[in-house]
Amino acid sequence: GQNIDQPTEMTATEGAIVQINCTYQTSGFNGLFWYQQHAGEAPTFLSYNVLDGLEEKGRFSSFLSRSKGYSYLLLKELQMKDSASYLCAVTPRGGFQKLVFGTGTRLLVSP
Amino acid sequence: NAGVTQTPKFRILKIGQSMTLQCAQDMNHNYMYWYRQDPGMGLKLIYYSVGAGITDKGEVPNGYNVSRSTTEDFPLRLELAAPSQTSVYFCASSPLSGTDTQYFGPGTRLTVL
Repeated sequence: GQNIDQPTEMTATEGAIVQINCTYQTSGFNGLFWYQQHAGEAPTFLSYNVLDGLEEKGRFSSFLSRSKGYSYLLLKELQMKDSASYLCAVTPRGGFQKLVFGTGTRLLVSP
Repeated sequence: NAGVTQTPKFRILKIGQSMTLQCAQDMNHNYMYWYRQDPGMGLKLIYYSVGAGITDKGEVPNGYNVSRSTTEDFPLRLELAAPSQTSVYFCASSPLSGTDTQYFGPGTRLTVL
């Protein structure tokens, strides 16, 4: 089976840096996605990691360690509009058609 | 491109009623998915399809049915609505597989009373 853990909620200040962690245990693993979901809206794609290491995309970076079953999403220069839920999702090996989502981390950015 | 569209946006059903949630995509994607999201929870996969005429169960298929007669459309059917099916339903599509980015529709908020 699959088990994905994320903190339920985090708070941060505008302009700061925040790191959202995700740990997973799966019967096999292919890759890991991060999605952003604003309240009442659909999830939108942020990043996809297959190999170990850091992928940087503007203010957002995502890191993966396959051996540790661990990923994090790093958000820099936080803006108010970054207040949203951040969903970690894994693709189990052999389950190329499927994503398994964590429960998400709700991030609140304050002035 | 409209992307992934879903209708209706909101619906209230009585216990035992039936309804179909509509989903369409105009990106010529092969893969389509139905998820439900309960308050404060992640997305749970209900059904998915890898192409017209091919569907398979996800994690929580009980109480639902799907069909995929065309590449564009992937309706979700609730036959006998129950309060446990109160949720937000998202349809998504991806070009080739689960390793591709999934594009989500705006969601249908369903309440069963």
